[in-house]
This record gives sequence, structure tokens and C-alpha cells, in this order.
Amino acid sequence: LAKTTQPISMDSYEGQEVNITCSHNNIATNDYITWYQQFPSQGPRFIIQGYKTKVTNEVASLFIPADRKSSTLSLPRVSLSDTAVYYCLFNNLFFGTGTRLTVIP
Amino acid sequence: DTGVSQDPRHKITKRGQNVTFRCDPISEHNRLYWYRQTLGQGPEFLTYFQNEAQLEKSRLLSDRFSAERPKGSFSTLEIQRTEQGDSAMYLCASTSPGQHLYEQYFGPGTRLTVT
Repeated sequence: LAKTTQPISMDSYEGQEVNITCSHNNIATNDYITWYQQFPSQGPRFIIQGYKTKVTNEVASLFIPADRKSSTLSLPRVSLSDTAVYYCLFNNLFFGTGTRLTVIP
Repeated sequence: DTGVSQDPRHKITKRGQNVTFRCDPISEHNRLYWYRQTLGQGPEFLTYFQNEAQLEKSRLLSDRFSAERPKGSFSTLEIQRTEQGDSAMYLCASTSPGQHLYEQYFGPGTRLTVT
């Protein structure tokens, strides 16, 4: 069964860049990597998706090395409202353990 | 609001009772997913449909759980003879592979408490 590994928690000051890494050693050739954000008592919300190299949208960047065994979600200049749990997901079915990000004023 | 709705939002039931949850996906989405999430854990995949066909079921889905998606629109998840271990948030998501690949739109969830 494919699994992912993420840090359990991270703290960051407001305005800083935050990088969250997910390890996925058993990712399959055709799997995409997707990141979600979840606030308490809400369903997860899509942030970004990629297959290889780098993807950037209006809220985040996703870096994927050539071996695709890991990925890094980068959140530029975080604000207090970015405090949430972040999950990496691949094959559309398996969520990682999640990283609880706390943004400190 | 993602456009995916779930009903009810909260359900309290006694052990041994049957419960049914409903999910209404975004209308043009042909794939629908059910997940279960307990406190402090990530969502766990239960099952998914493409149109009305149930394509995959997790081993987490015991014989007491059943899901349907008649006519490929809304879906229901039924739990028979509920147990306290069934207490969780049940999440529904939908997506259309023709759009942003694997971008799932999640509903607000149904929180089940079994007493």
C-alpha cells in the first residue's frame, strides 16, 4: 500500500515562506501529486497539483525532484489564516499523515 | 462553498441503529468519493463511483457499510448496526477527470456520533 510521510507539525512567523515536504517512496509512474489544505470542521480544499519539476499557481508552488520520491509545497509569505493542516495525496485515494502548520504573529 | 453538499451535517445515533448520509456532487462531475476522518487523522478513502458504477471499495468498508449512486447523480452511504467506532466525520468529494486532473471538491462533511 502506497504511503506518504510528512512532518507532524511546523510553526512559522507571519510573512515567512514555509516549505512542507512529503515523502512518497512508492509512488507509481502515472501518479500525480496533489496537496490539500484543511481547516477544522471543514472538508479539505485543493491547493496545487503536479507531476514533475515545478508548478506554481496564485497561492503556492510545488517542487518535485526527478526521482519523484518526494515533493515540497511552498507557501510564500504566510499569514495567520494559513494556519491549517496540509496533506499530500497521490493516486487520488491516499492522504498522507498531514502537517499541522501554525502561523505565529 | 465548493458546490458539494452533504446532508445531514450532524447525526447523533444510538449504537445498533442504522444511519444514511447523502451527498450531492457538483452536477457535471462524474466521479464521487467517500472518505472517513477521525479526530487528528487524515481522511481515509472508503469508496468511489464513476457515474453509477462503484469502482473501488476500501477494506475499511465492512459489510455494515453500503454506498449507492443511482443514476450517477447523488450518492448515499448507509451504515447498518452502528458501533461507537463508526463515530467520525464522513466526507464526500467529487471531480471530473476532464477538468483539473484529480482536483477533488469536498463537501462540508457529516459528523456522526454513535452513543
